Amino acid sequence: NAGVTQTPKFQVLKTGQSMTLQCAQDMNHNSMYWYRQDPGMGLRLIYYSASEGTTDKGEVPNGYNVSRLNKREFSLRLESAAPSQTSVYFCASSEGRSAGRLNQPQHFGDGTRLSIL
Amino acid sequence: GENVEQHPSTLSVQEGDSAVIKCTYSDSASNYFPWYKQELGKGPQLIIDIRSNVGEKKDQRIAVTLNKTAKHFSLHITETQPEDSAVYFCAASYNKLIFGAGTRLAVHP
Repeated sequence: NAGVTQTPKFQVLKTGQSMTLQCAQDMNHNSMYWYRQDPGMGLRLIYYSASEGTTDKGEVPNGYNVSRLNKREFSLRLESAAPSQTSVYFCASSEGRSAGRLNQPQHFGDGTRLSIL
Repeated sequence: GENVEQHPSTLSVQEGDSAVIKCTYSDSASNYFPWYKQELGKGPQLIIDIRSNVGEKKDQRIAVTLNKTAKHFSLHITETQPEDSAVYFCAASYNKLIFGAGTRLAVHP
């Protein structure tokens, strides 16, 4: 049982380039999330999808877009990468949908380490 | 806005000692409090969680306590082992999940 799988694991981009981070979960979870982790700042929510077909902004959405492709997959896109987006990106999922997701544990992938020069 | 403060930021203990990490939260409506362990190069992994209708929960060497009046909760690890070395995150949830900044725990043999 793989859980939450993120690809790629590492990526280096030049300023202005675009790329998509992929995430897939095999736990039949309803909700999925994208976070970024920066030193000393914990995890900050970028976007989330509280059920298949819906997406909502989190705490730091600027510069990002997301797509909930189906129940399993949730992708994060950087349209024009900036050095401030250098970070480790984590995808997570949880079983509940809508407000029910808030009191349930989230399961994380192992992250994508992204450097933007 | 909602905030979770976590202390200490680093903690160093000898193997076999106990470790305590404390968190305070600002939103009194928060009702779910998970703790995550993150090892180097890995994603956070849930180790224990507690809901607002419970004051304490224990799982082998790990325990969490919750004081809703004071709006703080703590992680207690007893009989620490070198494999407990990691970064630990607390979080509080009401209409969203807010994470603390993390505690780097080092357990020395």
